[in-house]
Amino acid sequence: GAGVSQSPSNKVTEKGKDVELRCDPISGHTALYWYRQRLGQGLEFLIYFQGNSAPDKSGLPSDRFSAERTGESVSTLTIQRTQQEDSAVYLCASSLREDYYEQYFGPGTRLTVT
Amino acid sequence: AQTVTQSQPEMSVQEAETVTLSCTYDTSESNYYLFWYKQPPSRQMILVIRQEAYKQQNATENRFSVNFQKAAKSFSLKISDSQLGDTAMYFCAFMKGGAGGTSYGKLTFGQGTILTVHP
Repeated sequence: GAGVSQSPSNKVTEKGKDVELRCDPISGHTALYWYRQRLGQGLEFLIYFQGNSAPDKSGLPSDRFSAERTGESVSTLTIQRTQQEDSAVYLCASSLREDYYEQYFGPGTRLTVT
Repeated sequence: AQTVTQSQPEMSVQEAETVTLSCTYDTSESNYYLFWYKQPPSRQMILVIRQEAYKQQNATENRFSVNFQKAAKSFSLKISDSQLGDTAMYFCAFMKGGAGGTSYGKLTFGQGTILTVHP
């Protein structure tokens, strides 16, 4: 079956612009996670959804970051007024449910802020 | 809060040889999971192996095995018969456990170790 997909694969934007990153989880997966990976670093947790509610938003770095999810489907991560420090790969993962250990990752969106 | 530390930024190994990647972690949780993920240049994160903290037996998946030392909070990955396709960045990760064998899905990652397998 289809895996987790993310779009766009790459995004270059100018400082100060808003960007939207999209994640399509595996069909039937109710839990969805967003992580950020700065160059040469490990992944940092941003937010997760169980269904369309977000029980844990503790990793969002500032109020410029927001995310939403439609039902148990697509999620969008929005970064407003982008800054150069937002440049990173943004990875999405999905899981059968929030209390299941295995997460399946998408290929990520590489965001470059110039 | 949990922390995961990988002290080897880069490692290299000859094809067919064995290599061990190190990971230590810190937590006050008694129930948790530990993972090794592989990230090749394609960026696709792939689960290599997992270990439940309540299990004493070390996990094994084909050429991959772990040495889980709970008291020392150490979780190393051994790759036997290394192959060129094993070249990737490897991440150690922690997940808090819940009741009845469940988990709380947020992963905490180490900084990663770049492994290069030479022919």
